[in-house]
Amino acid sequence: GESVGLHLPTLSVQEGDNSIINCAYSNSASDYFIWYKQESGKGPQFIIDIRSNMDKRQGQRVTVLLNKTVKHLSLQIAATQPGDSAVYFCAESYSLREYGNKLVFGAGTILRVKS
Amino acid sequence: GAGVSQSPRYKVTKRGQDVALRCDPISGHVSLYWYRQALGQGPEFLTYFNYEAQQDKSGLPNDRFSAERPEGSISTLTIQRTEQRDSAMYRCASSLPGGLSGELFFGEGSRLTVL
Repeated sequence: GESVGLHLPTLSVQEGDNSIINCAYSNSASDYFIWYKQESGKGPQFIIDIRSNMDKRQGQRVTVLLNKTVKHLSLQIAATQPGDSAVYFCAESYSLREYGNKLVFGAGTILRVKS
Repeated sequence: GAGVSQSPRYKVTKRGQDVALRCDPISGHVSLYWYRQALGQGPEFLTYFNYEAQQDKSGLPNDRFSAERPEGSISTLTIQRTEQRDSAMYRCASSLPGGLSGELFFGEGSRLTVL
């Protein structure tokens, strides 16, 4: 079935250090893998995505790595800042009819940035 | 408005009552989604609209849940004869069409508590 999970529920890092958040998935049928950030009291916010035929994609201060061999996804955040403190979710995207996308989310990793 | 707007933000109801949750998507977004999020977990897909047509409702838990989007803009999620297990954060999301990866714009949610 469809399932997306996380290795670590909580990650604490020092401000300025790099953060790595990991995710394991079990279903290889999705077209995209996506990372969302959710701050307290807010809805999830899109960070970055990667197509299933890629292994690396970079954004502003973030890099997503996809290893299909071991079904592993990671999000790297460079020079972590206090504003990065949030819950991070990985998700698989499945196409629906009429250009829709169904996202299957994992349980989330809490990132705490210490000043 | 600039973002996805949901109302009410908080709803407390007694078991057996019906509730209606409203979503006003970002202007111009033809795709609209409903998700449900339990505390500490990622959002769970409920249903998807493309314009006014409900294209997928595979995530609705049972027939007490229904959704509509009669004019292709505002959507209502209705839960009939509420039960305590229905307590959760209900999130609406919208997106542009085009089969992109799944960059959804989530609202701040409606927190439902069933007593």
